Amino acid sequence: QVQLKESGPGLVQPSQTLSLTCTVSGFSLTSNSVHWVRQPPGKGLEWMGGIWGDGSTDYNSALKSRLSISRDTSKSQVFLKMNSLQTDDTAIYFCTRSAYWGQGVMVTVSS
Amino acid sequence: DIQMTQSPPSLSASLGDKVTITCQASQNINKYIAWYQQKPGKAPRLLIRYTSTLESGTPSRFSGSGSGRDYSFSISNVESEDIASYYCLQYVNLRTFGGGTKLELK
Repeated sequence: QVQLKESGPGLVQPSQTLSLTCTVSGFSLTSNSVHWVRQPPGKGLEWMGGIWGDGSTDYNSALKSRLSISRDTSKSQVFLKMNSLQTDDTAIYFCTRSAYWGQGVMVTVSS
Repeated sequence: DIQMTQSPPSLSASLGDKVTITCQASQNINKYIAWYQQKPGKAPRLLIRYTSTLESGTPSRFSGSGSGRDYSFSISNVESEDIASYYCLQYVNLRTFGGGTKLELK
């Protein structure tokens, strides 16, 4: 069955780079898109960006300068890298394929 | 980027009520709108895609409608398990979520 699972550090220092991995199973990355969505504590959902089946990427314009999404199809993994983190980047980060979501990973930006 | 204005931000309902949430897009989104339900501590759950197509397992008391820039999502006969936050999502051009609506029991 389709599954997605996020992994990465729970704590990142301000100004540092966040690196997250989404490991998927039950479907092919070459024929499906995977997106990253985040949710600050007590707030709404924000689409960050996605990678399409052909490997092309799209980003939220508000994050585009700091964000990079890539993948390794041989490992069924999608990666998120975001630099220059600030405290307002503290959030739960989800990877999703439309109807299917990971459980999310909480990332706290703090010194 | 397309903006999605969702209202109301919060809603109070009694069991058995009908409630409606609206989303207005900043431009025509050609019915490419989905609706998600999210309960505390959980990932969002897709309920409806392409304006009105119910996902497998979505109860028939949920419905969606709209066209152009204006869309609505309704729950008829609210049940206790429907207490959650709801979000619209446009997917005609990139993706944009609405601000969310928190449904509470009156």
